[in-house]
Amino acid sequence: NAGVMQNPRHLVRRRGQEARLRCSPMKGHSHVYWYRQLPEEGLKFMVYLQKENIIDESGMPKERFSAEFPKEGPSILRIQQVVRGDSAAYFCASSLGHQETQYFGPGTRLLVL
Amino acid sequence: AQSVTQPDIHITVSEGASLELRCNYSYGATPYLFWYVQSPGQGLQLLLKYFSGDTLVQGIKGFEAEFKRSQSSFNLRKPSVHWSDAAEYFCAVVPGNTPLVFGKGTRLSVIA
Repeated sequence: NAGVMQNPRHLVRRRGQEARLRCSPMKGHSHVYWYRQLPEEGLKFMVYLQKENIIDESGMPKERFSAEFPKEGPSILRIQQVVRGDSAAYFCASSLGHQETQYFGPGTRLLVL
Repeated sequence: AQSVTQPDIHITVSEGASLELRCNYSYGATPYLFWYVQSPGQGLQLLLKYFSGDTLVQGIKGFEAEFKRSQSSFNLRKPSVHWSDAAEYFCAVVPGNTPLVFGKGTRLSVIA
């Protein structure tokens, strides 16, 4: 039973480019969460999605960031016009249901040059 | 403000020694409580969780944690540390109808 998958594991972008991060939840999980980890910091919640719906995006920056979880395919975290401050590790987690245990993927480490 | 505090940024212990990592939270009601471990360059692995019931929780890799309501604490313990336990440890809570809130983590180093 495969765990949460994230790709790419490492992503390098120049300022102004777009970054697309993908997350495939564990089999049977329909709840997906995105977190960002800055150097020397804990994880900060960004957005919580359930198939085709955004449930809570209170942690998402108001501009340039968006997330989706389509009926088919992985969840996508999209960062437009990246800036150096977007450099971080982005983790996806999935759960069977709301407030159920979250299982984390290996993360995508984004470096903006 | 509601928060999760891990007072120790970095702890060093000798292999075979006992370990206790501290975690305090500041929420009105008892939240769901978790400990995760992160090895360098890796994702987070769930060590253990507390939802209700017995306040002493057993987890994987020989770890346990005790929930103390009076102290708003959920400290992680291991009786004998192995070199492979060197990693970053995160305490996290679900305060209510909200997502996980993480502490800033405690980095554990293990020396021979």
